[in-house]
Amino acid sequence: RKEVEQDPGPFNVPEGATVAFNCTYSNSASQSFFWYRQDCRKEPKLLMSVYSSGNEDGRFTAQLNRASQYISLLIRDSKLSDSATYLCVVSLGGYQKVTFGTGTKLQVIP
Amino acid sequence: NAGVTQTPKFRILKIGQSMTLQCTQDMNHNYMYWYRQDPGMGLKLIYYSVGAGITDKGEVPNGYNVSRSTTEDFPLRLELAAPSQTSVYFCATQGGLGSPLHFGNGTRLTVT
Repeated sequence: RKEVEQDPGPFNVPEGATVAFNCTYSNSASQSFFWYRQDCRKEPKLLMSVYSSGNEDGRFTAQLNRASQYISLLIRDSKLSDSATYLCVVSLGGYQKVTFGTGTKLQVIP
Repeated sequence: NAGVTQTPKFRILKIGQSMTLQCTQDMNHNYMYWYRQDPGMGLKLIYYSVGAGITDKGEVPNGYNVSRSTTEDFPLRLELAAPSQTSVYFCATQGGLGSPLHFGNGTRLTVT
């Protein structure tokens, strides 16, 4: 089983739609969780950290389910500019144990 | 505030040539990383450093070397470039264990 697994997509959704991505992780000792956004041929950029109680940033909501070992990202009212690849990142807390998922591609269609 | 700066942005090398990819940060972060990303693939860790004078191998270190003489700089050296090293290279920093990583803009390298 991969350490961090994501559905590669692509997810093709119309503008204004709500879309959700899940990411599963294998190591129950994982401590820190993040969602990154990566545009084509660009560097990954931090979208949001994921906290145990769940957190929201505008149209984006992140949830953590430790019992089932997954994190989720919900995007409401999708914009064309949300089109990108979304990377799930899991950290054990040690400096080398930062694991990136391979990403889920989102395409928002006019 | 520049953050993490990588140079060059693009480079084409011939097989067997060598080069150094530069990474400089002004965030005063102790932890620094080098990743490579092949087309359509995820990030793979090449080398990392937990502070000046300390470096260690990641997942795919073969064909690369690093040094960390200062907190700010973490250059990646390619010796005897091979086509398999064609990739996009990202440098990243981390302010503390469990903190998010901050990436540079990347260096796109082609070896022909």
